[in-house]
Amino acid sequence: AQTVTQSQPEMSVQEAETVTLSCTYDTSESDYYLFWYKQPPSRQMILVIRQEAYKQQNATENRFSVNFQKAAKSFSLKISDSQLGDAAMYFCAYRRYEGAQKLVFGQGTRLTINP
Amino acid sequence: AAGVIQSPRHLIKEKRETATLKCYPIPRHDTVYWYQQGPGQDPQFLISFYEKMQSDKGSIPDRFSAQQFSDYHSELNMSSLELGDSALYFCASSSGLAGYNEQFFGPGTRLTVL
Repeated sequence: AQTVTQSQPEMSVQEAETVTLSCTYDTSESDYYLFWYKQPPSRQMILVIRQEAYKQQNATENRFSVNFQKAAKSFSLKISDSQLGDAAMYFCAYRRYEGAQKLVFGQGTRLTINP
Repeated sequence: AAGVIQSPRHLIKEKRETATLKCYPIPRHDTVYWYQQGPGQDPQFLISFYEKMQSDKGSIPDRFSAQQFSDYHSELNMSSLELGDSALYFCASSSGLAGYNEQFFGPGTRLTVL
């Protein structure tokens, strides 16, 4: 079974600074998908960024980028120019390439933005 | 753009009662997933449906059942409710089962069992 681990329960960053959230996972599969979801106080789950394991290039979405290290099974999220609206719980998630399509989530990291 | 609709948004029940949660996927989405998020927890997968057939099953209690109807909406039926069932229940939908298809989440139903 696949597992996802987020070792940072809480992180804080000054507004306009850069912060990196860590995520590691365990799988025996070679192809899969990794995601970062944001859950603001409204509790809505919002997809931030997605990475296909077969792509070596790290995904980027505006101020959000990932550092995907397949051999190390590491998938960190970097938020540049942090904004107050970035404050939320961030969940790292794994999804198989084929077969069961459920998302397996990590424990989450609560990000606080200090003005 | 249309989003996933869940009803009710809030539900309060007594122990041993029954609850029914409804999910209306994004139009033309044929796949529905149910997740349970306990207080301070990450979402846990319960069950999924593709084209009205169960496609995957997670740690869903035997007291829970679910189905997907011909119009693709889904219902999660929960019986003999326990205090531990208090959680936020998310429904997500996607177009097909392929892994690259994004799962769009609804706003969730907050269930409180007293």
